[in-house]
Amino acid sequence: AQSVTQLGSHVSVSEGALVLLRCNYSSSVPPYLFWYVQYPNQGLQLLLKYTTGATLVKGINGFEAEFKKSETSFHLTKPSAHMSDAAEYFCAVSGSQTGANNLFFGTGTRLTVIP
Amino acid sequence: DSGVTQTPKHLITATGQRVTLRCSPRSGDLSVYWYQQSLDQGLQFLIHYYNGEERAKGNILERFSAQQFPDLHSELNLSSLELGDSALYFCASSVEGGWETQYFGPGTRLLVL
Repeated sequence: AQSVTQLGSHVSVSEGALVLLRCNYSSSVPPYLFWYVQYPNQGLQLLLKYTTGATLVKGINGFEAEFKKSETSFHLTKPSAHMSDAAEYFCAVSGSQTGANNLFFGTGTRLTVIP
Repeated sequence: DSGVTQTPKHLITATGQRVTLRCSPRSGDLSVYWYQQSLDQGLQFLIHYYNGEERAKGNILERFSAQQFPDLHSELNLSSLELGDSALYFCASSVEGGWETQYFGPGTRLLVL
C-alpha cells in the first residue's frame, strides 16, 4: 500500500529565504513521486515528478526535489522564496504492480511567504 | 489552464438529493480520474476510467457512481447526499493511464445543506 506523510501543515518563510517542504512516503513497490501546488480557488498543478533515473528532479518555478530511497523521502526545495510561491503544496505517491496509478496524496503544507 | 474542464463550478443542494458533476478531459487524453478534497479526509482518489472502462476504484461510496462516455467526457453521480459529502471534486486526465502526468481541472465545489 502507498501513503505519504507531509511534516508541517503550515510553513512560513521570509521572501528570499530557502523553502523546504518535507515529504516521506511508504510504498510496497518502487514509488513514483509527485509534488503538486494548489493556488487559492484553483486546481492542482504539477510541480515535478520522479519516476526513474536521476534522483534530483527539477521542476517548474525553480523548485526541485530529491528522491532518497534510504530515507523514504522526497523533500521539495527552492533556494529563494518569492511572494508568488504562497500556496498549498501536496506530495503524492503512486505505484502499483497491478498498474493502478491513482495518486495517494499527503495532507498538504500551506506555504506562507513573509515580505 | 490545464485543458481539463469541469462543470458546474459551484453546486448547492440539500441532503437526500442527487447531483451530476461533469468533466471534459484534455484533447486526446483517454484516462479520467476523480478525486475528492474535503477538510476531514484531504485529497482522496475516487475512481479511474480509461477509454470508457473502469480501471481502478478508491474510496468511493456506494452512493457515488461514475461513467466515461464514448466522447471521453466523464460524469460523477452523487446520490442520497449527506452533509459530509460537501467537498471539492476534482477531475484529472492523462494520456493513457500509465505513469504520465495527471492534469487537474479547476474542480466543482459542492455544498450540501
